[in-house]
Amino acid sequence: DQQVKQNSPSLSVQEGRISILNCDYTNSMFDYFLWYKKYPAEGPTFLISISSIKDKNEDGRFTVFLNKSAKHLSLHIVPSQPGDSAVYFCAASDPTGTASKLTFGTGTRLQVTL
Amino acid sequence: KAGVTQTPRYLIKTRGQQVTLSCSPISGHRSVSWYQQTPGQGLQFLFEYFSETQRNKGNFPGRFSGRQFSNSRSEMNVSTLELGDSALYLCASSFGGSQPQHFGDGTRLSIL
Repeated sequence: DQQVKQNSPSLSVQEGRISILNCDYTNSMFDYFLWYKKYPAEGPTFLISISSIKDKNEDGRFTVFLNKSAKHLSLHIVPSQPGDSAVYFCAASDPTGTASKLTFGTGTRLQVTL
Repeated sequence: KAGVTQTPRYLIKTRGQQVTLSCSPISGHRSVSWYQQTPGQGLQFLFEYFSETQRNKGNFPGRFSGRQFSNSRSEMNVSTLELGDSALYLCASSFGGSQPQHFGDGTRLSIL
């Protein structure tokens, strides 16, 4: 049972435009959500997180939106840059597991073209 | 600031053998978690250690075990290796609580 789903395996966006990556979850106990970026042959790099008490969190070019009623979160990257090309994972944790027990989605490969 | 260090980066073993992977967390981090990444199952949580105690455990067989030392360094052991254990094993550390985890670059384990 995939509790965290990223239904788009890939996404292509032009440089300078907005990239929107989506993530859905089924476990209503999840209360902390994170996005990671992964380059080949490297470990995931933390990007941004959001607690379930918020519906938006911004950090520079990255904004995460959380819609608890729809069990949906999204990552917006504005403007997109070629260096953003990577695989993006969303992850979630619940209070019983602490934030150190993450459930990951399957990832979305973002390609930013010139 | 040094990141999470995992050794070795690559490892080749044969079925039935055992293997030990090592992880040195970021200085000051007391929580260390281990994950397995495979093409079919994605990133899956193995276990977490905090102050030398296993705090959380994923759905993996008992062949997978770990430990944490007083300096927060952690080791993961897999016994009686199977072909399906071929994967990228990732270690992540954090201060604990609601702090985000930071990952190492992983150990790629291949079973022949």
